[in-house]
Amino acid sequence: QVQLVESGGGVVQPGRSLRLSCAASGFTIRSYAMHWVRQAPGKGLEWAAVIWDDGSNKYYADSVKGRFTISRDNSMNTLYLQMNSLRAEDTAVYYCARDFGHELPDAFDVWGHGTMVTVSS
Amino acid sequence: EIVMTQSPATLSVSPGERATLSCRASQSVSFNLAWYQQKPGQAPILLIYGASTRATGIPARFSGSGSGTEFTLFINSLQSEDFAFYYCQQYNNWPPWTFGQGTKVEIK
Repeated sequence: QVQLVESGGGVVQPGRSLRLSCAASGFTIRSYAMHWVRQAPGKGLEWAAVIWDDGSNKYYADSVKGRFTISRDNSMNTLYLQMNSLRAEDTAVYYCARDFGHELPDAFDVWGHGTMVTVSS
Repeated sequence: EIVMTQSPATLSVSPGERATLSCRASQSVSFNLAWYQQKPGQAPILLIYGASTRATGIPARFSGSGSGTEFTLFINSLQSEDFAFYYCQQYNNWPPWTFGQGTKVEIK
């Protein structure tokens, strides 16, 4: 069964760091670009970051650029999001998602259940 | 950045009726447009990609049309499980990948 499971969320003070993990099963992530998408409470979906299948390219939303780092460990079949200098506005459910494009980006066909990050003093 | 605008914000529909949701892009995204369904407390589910191709396992009552800047999601004969939020997303010009603000389909 194709599945993504996020972990690592929690409550953290502003300015602190947190690392999210996304473990894949039922498929190998080395064949896909992988994204992080977030959703603030009561709000819509906001794309945050992407990493290419081979890790050669990484892109970030302006709102997280310079503070968040996306990475992957293909041997562990796991995606990561290192979040530094966290702000209250980073409070959201964070989803990892698979991009099913093979040469160019495409839609996100597999999503995790999400992990909640709350930034509060 | 391409801005995606969905309308209406809320759509009230009776079960069994047809729902029509709109999505407009601030510039052409060709056919690189996806629709997702999200229920409260759950992850999004891919419904449509390539503007009109149903994802695996999606019922035939869901259909999409459009190209360029104007797109439509149709839901025929609404079932109780279809009352949810719907988001469009473009993946033509990136980064960033951008979503619309969503349309809530509620029971009339």
